[in-house]
Amino acid sequence: TQLLEQSPQFLSIQEGENLTVYCNSSSVFSSLQWYRQEPGEGPVLLVTVVTGGEVKKLKRLTFQFGDARKDSSLHITAAQPGDTGLYLCAGAAYYFGNEKLTFGTGTRLTIIP
Amino acid sequence: DVKVTQSSRYLVKRTGEKVFLECVQDMDHENMFWYRQDPGLGLRLIYFSYDVKMKEKGDIPEGYSVSREKKERFSLILESASTNQTSMYLCASSFVRLAGAFTDTQYFGPGTRLTVL
Repeated sequence: TQLLEQSPQFLSIQEGENLTVYCNSSSVFSSLQWYRQEPGEGPVLLVTVVTGGEVKKLKRLTFQFGDARKDSSLHITAAQPGDTGLYLCAGAAYYFGNEKLTFGTGTRLTIIP
Repeated sequence: DVKVTQSSRYLVKRTGEKVFLECVQDMDHENMFWYRQDPGLGLRLIYFSYDVKMKEKGDIPEGYSVSREKKERFSLILESASTNQTSMYLCASSFVRLAGAFTDTQYFGPGTRLTVL
């Protein structure tokens, strides 16, 4: 089983600050997804990155896929309380002919008003 | 609007009981998944199904079984619940982009928090 380590595991910052969350693996992925999970809900897909070096922006959120397709980062600019939640990365790779997702360990983000 | 529902939000069972967790999706998706979520471990795949009556083991299938008799419904069964199965259980579904690909957008239910005493 491929492992996806996220760092930090917990992050608590003031509203208006910037932050970066990392998702790292020793394995190569064909694509990588980022999900956000709010309390009492299931994860919701934010973005999928496919090409090494790809950068995608979603308002104040910037997602980057590493050149070697082994890692990814999520940068949030001017964090707001609505950004609070659990952020999960998930890498896609082939196992015995099937392409499957492996989820990361998660980063719990709290934005303090 | 996309909808995945799970039969219970909270469930308390005793060791040795047989437990059924039900999941229903209304999107006509071929793929359905069961995960468990534990702090610091992320989501771990228990079983998935790519068609009615078809199932595949995920990363942690021991102690679990599944049933998919209808396309919209995927059940997770704990034959004899144990305390180490106390966890949050998440169901998800996705459509088939390519045969053998299970990585398209997964739509998750709200989860069932199971406590085994």
